Amino acid sequence: TAGITQAPTSQILAAGRSMTLRCTQDMRHNAMYWYRQDLGLGLRLIHYSNTAGTTGKGEVPDGYSVSRANTDDFPLTLASAVPSQTSVYFCASSFTGTGYDEQYFGPGTRLTVT
Amino acid sequence: AQKVTQAQTEISVVEKEDVTLDCVYETRDTTYYLFWYKQPPSGELVFLIRRNSFDEQNEISGRYSWNFQKSTSSFNFTITASQVVDSAVYFCALSEAEDAGNMLTFGGGTRLMVKP
Repeated sequence: TAGITQAPTSQILAAGRSMTLRCTQDMRHNAMYWYRQDLGLGLRLIHYSNTAGTTGKGEVPDGYSVSRANTDDFPLTLASAVPSQTSVYFCASSFTGTGYDEQYFGPGTRLTVT
Repeated sequence: AQKVTQAQTEISVVEKEDVTLDCVYETRDTTYYLFWYKQPPSGELVFLIRRNSFDEQNEISGRYSWNFQKSTSSFNFTITASQVVDSAVYFCALSEAEDAGNMLTFGGGTRLMVKP
């Protein structure tokens, strides 16, 4: 079972350019999440989706947008990248959107904005 | 607001030593969940354990054990007889039952290095 796949693995992006990070899960989980990981700060939630068709803002949503057209896919878009968005991005999913469920994480996308 | 603190940023031990990773949390909810995740050098986060706020029983799984104490708002993780394969970054995390987004609040992580 693939679990969660993310693409690309890494990317160097010029400031001001747009980019979409892709995330696909094959576990039929209802809830999906995007986190960014920065040294010393752990992971911080950017956006989440409790079910297809709905999304919500996390702790650090500014500069990012998401959509959830179906259960499996949860792309993250940076409309106009800035250097402070240099980070490792993790997509995650859980069976439900409740606090009880453990979240399963993808392998991450390392993004460098120059 | 919820907060998780892992005061130890880096720990280095020699193989076979026992090591405890500290985790202190803050929350206003009476129902919440605590997690530990492991991030090996490969980068993926691996779920280790979940505890809910009503279950203070300590848990042991092989060489791993967890000590949950509500009185001190702590959820510490002990590895007994550490091995080189335990080298990783370990994250403690908290979610609140009333949070619609199931937001996991992570601590800053503790990097554990186990030397042979």
